[in-house]
Amino acid sequence: QSALTQPASVSGSPGQSITISCTGTSSDVGGYDYVSWYQQLPGKVPKLIISNVSNRPSGVSNRFSGSKSGNTASLTISGLQAEDEADYYCSSYTSSITVAFGGGTKLTVL
Amino acid sequence: EVQVVESGGGLVKPGGSLRLSCVVSGLAFSDAWMTWVRQAPGKGLECIGRIRGGGGATDYPAPVNDRFTISRDDSRKTLYLQMSRLRTEDTAVYYCTHDSSAYYTLHFWGQGTLVTVSS
Repeated sequence: QSALTQPASVSGSPGQSITISCTGTSSDVGGYDYVSWYQQLPGKVPKLIISNVSNRPSGVSNRFSGSKSGNTASLTISGLQAEDEADYYCSSYTSSITVAFGGGTKLTVL
Repeated sequence: EVQVVESGGGLVKPGGSLRLSCVVSGLAFSDAWMTWVRQAPGKGLECIGRIRGGGGATDYPAPVNDRFTISRDDSRKTLYLQMSRLRTEDTAVYYCTHDSSAYYTLHFWGQGTLVTVSS
């Protein structure tokens, strides 16, 4: 059982927007602005796409955005493209000085 | 360009030991905070532990605390993961990652090395 809760799957059509939630507690997501999101394309290595709740590393498309409210963080992908089909993982720094990951969400582009 | 290259994976019997290595280039390794993350087949990501830059203190989550040990050789720009008393459930791809924030912002990842624990 993962420390952070994500939906197992989400889907959307090309051009649409989707949001993936990541729910934790006040000891992780709610307590720190150190939430990251990773994209893992099929058979590939995870890639950082959002850090510190809402920052995009250089080279990451501005179609990806992050936010947080209370104990829940969210990743929004706008203008869905076929190439966005992947697994997405959230993570958060925790009060135990470690990192908690979500169980991952499989995004299907219809 | 930052490059992270793991090695040392393979097949090991339950109860056995294995040491993984990770060579890092393109950044000031001695100051780098490095984290090992694993991914079991078809499963999600799990943090094994972290070693801090500028001294080498370590942080481990509870589940693997006493079986896995992270160390570093700054002169060789190399990170190590010593695994002992391996179990079948330790079968996974092990990733070496660079934490760019000291708060587990895992910016750079190696390609991973597969560890299979089986009799």
